[in-house]
Amino acid sequence: DADVTQTPRNRITKTGKRIMLECSQTKGHDRMYWYRQDPGLGLRLIYYSFDVKDINKGEISDGYSVSRQAQAKFSLSLESAIPNQTALYFCATSDPSGGAADTQYFGPGTRLTVL
Amino acid sequence: QQQVKQSPQSLIVQKGGISIINCAYENTAFDYFPWYQQFPGKGPALLIAIRPDVSEKKEGRFTISFNKSAKQFSLHIMDSQPGDSATYFCAPQYNDYKLSFGAGTTVTVRA
Repeated sequence: DADVTQTPRNRITKTGKRIMLECSQTKGHDRMYWYRQDPGLGLRLIYYSFDVKDINKGEISDGYSVSRQAQAKFSLSLESAIPNQTALYFCATSDPSGGAADTQYFGPGTRLTVL
Repeated sequence: QQQVKQSPQSLIVQKGGISIINCAYENTAFDYFPWYQQFPGKGPALLIAIRPDVSEKKEGRFTISFNKSAKQFSLHIMDSQPGDSATYFCAPQYNDYKLSFGAGTTVTVRA
């Protein structure tokens, strides 16, 4: 079984709709992240959470919100989707106890299309 | 701002050849230098990483070369295989968790 799962894997929605992307992990990691990937831009950090009570904005948080429901679950919401939010979205986890630098473990991604 | 510049955008190499990908960075706060590998339909996965106190690290056919004074590091794939065909990202890191991804390099290994 995959350690980091994302649902849905693909989603097509219309401008103005609210949409939620979900991430679950079985790795027992406290840290979770949401990224978006666009061609030619690499991955950019949207939000990150170091534990259930700690949520922080990344470099491109405008238009997005998150919820950390439990250690294992971290959801990303688009309050009112717009076409330039069409992208590939990744959830990731990491564990700071392993050393000075976290390795991040990524889910398989959600391909979102906003029409 | 563009903190990380990765090149080339894509490359094609014959089986058995050498692939070289370069990454230049500006932020001197970076203290860990990983490369992530991504296959189509998958999320990125850590391939190899180096700390700034060493100039080279080798793991199998993959080598990182690091030049602190030039603020550059590179990934070398020796004896490239078709299974190495993927997109590679440099993602220098600071504060334990903040990755700054390069734009990615698509490597195609022709049999």
